[in-house]
Amino acid sequence: EAQVTQNPRYLITVTGKKLTVTCSQNMNHEYMSWYRQDPGLGLRQIYYSMNVEVTDKGDVPEGYKVSRKEKRNFPLILESPSPNQTSLYFCASSLGGHQGETQYFGPGTRLLVL
Amino acid sequence: GNSVTQMEGPVTLSEEAFLTINCTYTATGYPSLFWYVQYPGEGLQLLLKATKADDKGSNKGFEATYRKETTSFHLEKGSVQVSDSAVYFCALNLFSGGYNKLIFGAGTRLAVHP
Repeated sequence: EAQVTQNPRYLITVTGKKLTVTCSQNMNHEYMSWYRQDPGLGLRQIYYSMNVEVTDKGDVPEGYKVSRKEKRNFPLILESPSPNQTSLYFCASSLGGHQGETQYFGPGTRLLVL
Repeated sequence: GNSVTQMEGPVTLSEEAFLTINCTYTATGYPSLFWYVQYPGEGLQLLLKATKADDKGSNKGFEATYRKETTSFHLEKGSVQVSDSAVYFCALNLFSGGYNKLIFGAGTRLAVHP
């Protein structure tokens, strides 16, 4: 089944404790991205990647890191989480390079930073 | 700048009622327009899209027409069901530098009662 998977689905942590949220897709997509969803703000893009070893900042990149060492994986790293990073996070992927192409979303990771 | 404005929710309807969720956008260039749906506890799924002016997207009884003159992409359904209860996101897609960037509205929660 074609899908985007994320782990963990739920995470509670404390301020300053490094964490990684994994994202994997099995559709051989070139393009992957991370979003955060907050009430009243919709989804905002954190980082995106157009291909292996090619990443760039989205609209709200502060406090986050990403890497793209393999085509299928695009982990999101919070090196020193803070309470304002409490949010619902989505990974997405798409074929890449085609105007108006559909992006496919993972199930989401709900993060609470105490 | 580029932005999407959706009507505020929640929208509460009885089963078989007519649904309209308004969406207007501001964008440079010629965006594609999308409606995504988020069912409780799940990720976003593409509901429908339109890639150019006057195009109509449709799926599962939902429709939306890309109106360039009014910069709108309103979502409609003639007869809603309880199973349509979800959060609906309007989004515009900009294609630049070889990649697609999605900009989301804040989302509109729909609750349908029997």
